[in-house]
Amino acid sequence: QVHLVQSGAEVKKPGASVKVSCKASGYNFNNFGITWVRQAPGQGLQWMGWINLYNGNKDYTQKFRGRVTMTADTSATTAYMELESLRSDDTAVYYCARDVRGDDPRFDNWGQGTLVTVSS
Amino acid sequence: QTVVTQEPSFSVSPGGTVTLTCGLSSGSVSTNYYPSWYQVTPGQPPRTLIYNTNIRSSGVPNRFSGSILGNKAALTIAGAQAEDECDYYCVLYMHPAIAVFGGGTKLTVL
Repeated sequence: QVHLVQSGAEVKKPGASVKVSCKASGYNFNNFGITWVRQAPGQGLQWMGWINLYNGNKDYTQKFRGRVTMTADTSATTAYMELESLRSDDTAVYYCARDVRGDDPRFDNWGQGTLVTVSS
Repeated sequence: QTVVTQEPSFSVSPGGTVTLTCGLSSGSVSTNYYPSWYQVTPGQPPRTLIYNTNIRSSGVPNRFSGSILGNKAALTIAGAQAEDECDYYCVLYMHPAIAVFGGGTKLTVL
């Protein structure tokens, strides 16, 4: 059974960085990607980017390029998302999801979410 | 920049049928965008409903179906139930690697 377990809630000050982890189990980690999505309070879902664990390629949406870094430790089957230069509007729940590409692309299993609060 | 559009809100009577749509601010949605649909209830992670236009994810009731209607992707709920009251988001793949969420539709069942 596929499971994605994320790290706990974080409180950060403006200008700081946050690193959220996503521990995967129940499948071959290297055969899929991990995508990161966030939802700010009262707002919609926003795709941030993904890391292809098969070849290590990463794609970030334009909004976060230069501020986000997605990495993975394949030996620990854990993916990470680091967001720098935090602002108050980065306060959101951040989700990781298993990212399936190919003929039937989809995000098919989700982590429980990690609340990141940015406040002075 | 192309925006993925959804109705902000929709209402359906219990037992009724509703169709939510997913379009583009410029251009038409086709199967080439591999539209998928996600259900979000407060405090829960998203749930995958439909992918690649019309493939139902495992465990999703068959009252949920996906299609292309005209120049948009569509999610139809036939026989809506009270538990279907939540937010629905579509995703389009704009580029082989870039995914974009629509703004979401808040569905009310009353």
